[in-house]
Amino acid sequence: AQSVTQLGSHVSVSEGALVLLRCNYSSSVPPYLFWYVQYPNQGLQLLLKYTSAATLVKGINGFEAEFKKSETSFHLTKPSAHMSDAAEYFCAVSDSRGSTLGRLYFGRGTQLTVWP
Amino acid sequence: DAGITQSPRYKITETGRQVTLMCHQTWSHSYMFWYRQDLGHGLRLIYYSAAADITDKGEVPDGYVVSRSKTENFPLTLESATRSQTSVYFCATLDSSYEQYFGPGTRLTVT
Repeated sequence: AQSVTQLGSHVSVSEGALVLLRCNYSSSVPPYLFWYVQYPNQGLQLLLKYTSAATLVKGINGFEAEFKKSETSFHLTKPSAHMSDAAEYFCAVSDSRGSTLGRLYFGRGTQLTVWP
Repeated sequence: DAGITQSPRYKITETGRQVTLMCHQTWSHSYMFWYRQDLGHGLRLIYYSAAADITDKGEVPDGYVVSRSKTENFPLTLESATRSQTSVYFCATLDSSYEQYFGPGTRLTVT
């Protein structure tokens, strides 16, 4: 079964500082991995995804993530935080094949606060 | 406009009542999903559908019923609402590049 662990339910950074949100996954088959962002009272928006191409994935708003199979990790980073990055971030894993293709398993989320 | 919509956006109902949450998409994506979001749990899959007339249970299906007679609609019904079903419900579709698109959500309160 698939599962995702997001380390740290809350992360606080200063504006301009590095953002690092951690995600580890468990998967019995090669996974597809995703990061979504959720702003207050809104649905989820895709930031980036890994679907077995390049291991370093670039997404929207300056975010990127690196798939590390040996560490079963898919951490999200941004070199310089902006106030508008304050939101909740979700890591998710999906099967890359089989009858459960497309089903997402989400982590519990990390709330990012950006201080001026 | 193309996209995914949910209705109602907000709903308050009483314990024991039947409630139906609507989801409509204009892309003709085959896969559709229903999630609930609760504090501390992230999003959990309730039901999903691979095509019209094909549905399957997710992680937390108890107390919910779905149907999908048309590709574009995927209603979720709470047959007898309970307070534990107070939550925010999201509908989503899946495109050919494995990206899920989420609706704006329905905030349901069961009193």
